Amino acid sequence: TQLLEQSPQFLSIQEGENLTVYCNSSSVFSSLQWYRQEPGEGPVLLVTVVTGGEVKKLKRLTFQFGDARKDSSLHITAAQPGDTGLYLCASRDYGQNFVFGPGTRLSVLP
Amino acid sequence: ETGVTQTPRHLVMGMTNKKSLKCEQHLGHNAMYWYKQSAKKPLELMFVYSLEERVENNSVPSRFSPECPNSSHLFLHLHTLQPEDSALYLCASSQGGEPTDTQYFGPGTRLTVL
Repeated sequence: TQLLEQSPQFLSIQEGENLTVYCNSSSVFSSLQWYRQEPGEGPVLLVTVVTGGEVKKLKRLTFQFGDARKDSSLHITAAQPGDTGLYLCASRDYGQNFVFGPGTRLSVLP
Repeated sequence: ETGVTQTPRHLVMGMTNKKSLKCEQHLGHNAMYWYKQSAKKPLELMFVYSLEERVENNSVPSRFSPECPNSSHLFLHLHTLQPEDSALYLCASSQGGEPTDTQYFGPGTRLTVL
């Protein structure tokens, strides 16, 4: 089973700062997804990346998939309190199932 | 109602109780999932159903018993649970078996076992 690592585990920053969180594996991803989970809710998909080297932007969020498809990063520009939550990466093996990383818990203070 | 719904949202039960969690998806998806989310562990996949047939059982103790009567409904029957089973139980659905399929999650049931 593919294992995913995420770093940092916790991150607390001031509103307006930039940040980057990472997702890594020793195995090649077939695809990779980033989710955000707010307290009391289920994870919500932010993006799916499939191609090595791919960069996707979603407003202030920039997602990058490593060339070798073994790592990914999420960069947030000018973080806002509404960005607070647990950021999860997930990969899918060549079967049916998703594997999730342990998450980065982000707190953006006003 | 749209998306994925779960009931109840909160459940407290004793170790000798029997209860059931319910999940319903209104998205016309073919696959449904149960996950367990504990405070100090990543999301753990418990069961996968595709076209109402169980395709994955990740070494889950028999005190958890899933049921998928149709493609829109998924249940998790609980009996003689242990305190360490306390967690957030999430249901999800997806269209099918493509690697890029999106999983849509419900809000979860927060379970406390006393």
